[in-house]
Amino acid sequence: DTAVSQTPKYLVTQMGNDKSIKCEQNLGHDTMYWYKQDSKKFLKIMFSYNNKELIINETVPNRFSPKSPDKAHLNLHINSLELGDSAVYFCASSQGSSGGETQYFGPGTRLLVL
Amino acid sequence: QQPVQSPQAVILREGEDAVINCSSSKALYSVHWYRQKHGEAPVFLMILLKGGEQKGHEKISASFNEKKQQSSLYLTASQLSYSGTYFCGTEGGSGGSNYKLTFGKGTLLTVNP
Repeated sequence: DTAVSQTPKYLVTQMGNDKSIKCEQNLGHDTMYWYKQDSKKFLKIMFSYNNKELIINETVPNRFSPKSPDKAHLNLHINSLELGDSAVYFCASSQGSSGGETQYFGPGTRLLVL
Repeated sequence: QQPVQSPQAVILREGEDAVINCSSSKALYSVHWYRQKHGEAPVFLMILLKGGEQKGHEKISASFNEKKQQSSLYLTASQLSYSGTYFCGTEGGSGGSNYKLTFGKGTLLTVNP
């Protein structure tokens, strides 16, 4: 069983479109995250949810909107896609959010905006 | 602030040792180490916590100097499977909740036969 799964694995789309990425974890964790890894491999946190509540909201364009329907799922919706949004988006989860928690990463979604 | 990793890249022959360093300009609560192979997700290696606790793989060793805000990852008797990009991630602060992991730029390790 995959611990943290993401769909889709690849996403190729045109500028201006709206797209969503879905994440699910079966580890029973309370905390989930979205990270963006750019072409230079820089891995940066975007959002974090703890028990469906948004707890970390980095400086991200408001075209990005996360949603957590329950603590096992965290989705990312992106409006009006731009060329600079091309990156690999990783979902991750951890038991809690109080520090020193192992984060388990999903396989990533490779987004290419043309 | 983003932690600084060194070296940026290192090439080894199988069986050789390597040390990867991570330093921060702020007080740290924990340091996390991950390895990422090309086209794959980062994989957890180790966490070092303020106060000396460590969690991670038995075959990986690392140190955390809280006073200097520095951590080092020690890779001994390297194997081909050790190749990948190693990231350190740091959590700052001295208590509380909603910790945020900030990653360094990574160290590319290549192990050749």
